[in-house]
Amino acid sequence: AQKVTQAQTEISVVEKEDVTLDCVYETRDTTYYLFWYKQPPSGELVFLIRRNSFDEQNEISGRYSWNFQKSTSSFNFTITASQVVDSAVYFCALIGSPAGRRALTFGSGTRLQVQP
Amino acid sequence: ETGVTQTPRHLVMGMTNKKSLKCEQHLGHNAMYWYKQSAKKPLELMFVYNFKEQTENNSVPSRFSPECPNSSHLFLHLHTLQPEDSALYLCASSQDMGVSGNTIYFGEGSWLTVV
Repeated sequence: AQKVTQAQTEISVVEKEDVTLDCVYETRDTTYYLFWYKQPPSGELVFLIRRNSFDEQNEISGRYSWNFQKSTSSFNFTITASQVVDSAVYFCALIGSPAGRRALTFGSGTRLQVQP
Repeated sequence: ETGVTQTPRHLVMGMTNKKSLKCEQHLGHNAMYWYKQSAKKPLELMFVYNFKEQTENNSVPSRFSPECPNSSHLFLHLHTLQPEDSALYLCASSQDMGVSGNTIYFGEGSWLTVV
C-alpha cells in the first residue's frame, strides 16, 4: 500500500520567513515518483516538481528547494523568503511504478498562510 | 492559458437535475483523469482513461458517468446527485498511463454545489 503523510495541517508565517513543509511517504515499490503541487484559492493544482526514487539530489528552483532523503522516506519542501503569493495549500504526492499502482496518492495537504 | 481547461468553473444544481462537466486538454496527452476534492477528504481519484479506454473506476456511484470521446476531451455526466457530492471536481491529464511516473497536469476545477 502507498501512503503520503503531511503532518502539518496549517502553517502561518510572516513574509520573508523561511518555511519547510514536511512530507513522509510509504511504498513497497523500488521505483517510484514523488511530486509537489500547489493549490491556490482558485482551485487549480499547479505542478511544482517531480522526483524519481533513484535521484536523491536536492533541487533548487528560485526560492523553492526540495530535500529528498530515502533513508527517512521524506521529501520536504522549503520556501525561502516567503511571499504573500506563496499562500496556498501544498500537496505532496506519490506514484509507484508497477502496473496497477499508477494513480497518484496524495497527502492531505498543508495550508500555508504568509502574512504581510 | 492552462493546458487543461474545465467548464463550467462553478455549477449549482438540484438533486433532480442532469448536468455535465467538461474537460479539454491541449497538451497532446493520452491519459485523462477525474478527481474529487471535498472539504473532509483528501483528493480522491474517480476515473482514469487511457487512449479513450476507461482503465480505472474507483468505486464511484453510478450517478457519476464519465465519457471520453477522444484523447483530448473528458466529460463527467451528473444526475440525481446528493448534497454530499458537493465538491471541487478536478480534471487532469498525463502523457500515457503506460509510462511510469508521468507528470499529471490539472485543470482549475469545477466547483459543484448540489442543493
